[in-house]
Amino acid sequence: AQKVTQAQTEISVVEKEDVTLDCVYETRDTTYYLFWYKQPPSGELVFLIRRNSFDEQNEISGRYSWNFQKSTSSFNFTITASQVVDSAVYFCALIDNSGNTPLVFGKGTRLSVIA
Amino acid sequence: GAVVSQHPSRVICKSGTSVKIECRSLDFQATTMFWYRQFPKQSLMLMATSNEGSKATYEQGVEKDKFLINHASLTLSTLTVTSAHPEDSSFYICSASRGPDEQYFGPGTRLTVT
Repeated sequence: AQKVTQAQTEISVVEKEDVTLDCVYETRDTTYYLFWYKQPPSGELVFLIRRNSFDEQNEISGRYSWNFQKSTSSFNFTITASQVVDSAVYFCALIDNSGNTPLVFGKGTRLSVIA
Repeated sequence: GAVVSQHPSRVICKSGTSVKIECRSLDFQATTMFWYRQFPKQSLMLMATSNEGSKATYEQGVEKDKFLINHASLTLSTLTVTSAHPEDSSFYICSASRGPDEQYFGPGTRLTVT
């Protein structure tokens, strides 16, 4: 069975600090996809990144970066120089390659950035 | 990216009434759509998988007679909460699939049952 674990329930940082959100996953599939979503107070899920299991290159997008390590089954997300607008719940998710199956979500990490 | 809409975005209804929520994929055909429910401060919980032209597959513990799902076309799935009660108050989110690595989420519907 697939599983996504986000051990950090809530994180609070001061503006301009860097913060890393952890994500550990479990799957028996060799081909799978990992995602990060942001959910602001409005509720709408905002897609951040998709990574397939064969691409272990780290990715940077502005202040966001992702570290994918298959050896530890982790897909961590780092926000550099955090801002108040980064305050939201962040979800890590996993899907296999078998077809039209749903995403498996972690429990989410609530990030609060304090000015 | 692709666009998925949900209507209504917010609905308040009285206990005992039924509420229909629509999920539309606006720019692609989705053979499969998913319905999720999210309670405050919790993660998304899959309720059911909806395939066009066939009966929905419900997750364990989800009452199919209470949460009626219809996927009549490749761009529209509806979720009807029948005889709603206050405990059905929640945030309902749909997603539409265009492939194993392409799922697009609607903006969600916040249901409040009084």
